[in-house]
Amino acid sequence: EPEVTQTPSHQVTQMGQEVILRCVPISNHLYFYWYRQILGQKVEFLVSFYNNEISEKSEIFDDQFSVERPDGSNFTLKIRSTKLEDSAMYFCASSVDTGIQFFGPGTRLTVL
Amino acid sequence: DAKTTQPPSMDCAEGRAANLPCNHSTISGNEYVYWYRQIHSQGPQYIIHGLKNNETNEMASLIITEDRKSSTLILPHATLRDTAVYYCIVRVALGYGGSQGNLIFGKGTKLSVKP
Repeated sequence: EPEVTQTPSHQVTQMGQEVILRCVPISNHLYFYWYRQILGQKVEFLVSFYNNEISEKSEIFDDQFSVERPDGSNFTLKIRSTKLEDSAMYFCASSVDTGIQFFGPGTRLTVL
Repeated sequence: DAKTTQPPSMDCAEGRAANLPCNHSTISGNEYVYWYRQIHSQGPQYIIHGLKNNETNEMASLIITEDRKSSTLILPHATLRDTAVYYCIVRVALGYGGSQGNLIFGKGTKLSVKP
């Protein structure tokens, strides 16, 4: 069964450093998403991406964040200058036009 | 904020049916009800969704009341592996029957299946 994959599973970085989180969505999906979950809190939407552009973003997704689909398979989330409060699980999801979003296993980001 | 209300926690005996309620009294006519679950810190897993008819798949059944203001997710024979946080989410449907847009997660119901 096809699935969304994410790398790395755990990323540790120093405050102020740039990080890139990678996702490989399900191959025939057209819509891509990033969510995050701070430990013990709700899953929060960050951004959605369709047709090579952002279609929707939340207030969390400020200028420090960017997304890209650099080739036909990868979907990346970049945090330019990480802060302590960026420590969280980051989930990638993808969907076709039926609306069911399939989530990856997540990347645990720890900012020291 | 999430437009649904769920009990914070529930217990269920292994092998019995787990019935998870959700209140969505402000649901609009063009909104679907989706259910996801999250096992420990894994990515949310899609379970089932529906608009107004009851739905069943290999994982669960979804019962939506006639007025659509509430629904119940039924896991017919709960196992220990069904222990998870279950989220009920409403989403706007597009004209052709699909839906887009972000999922708004609430706190969900923490289901504990006990032996």
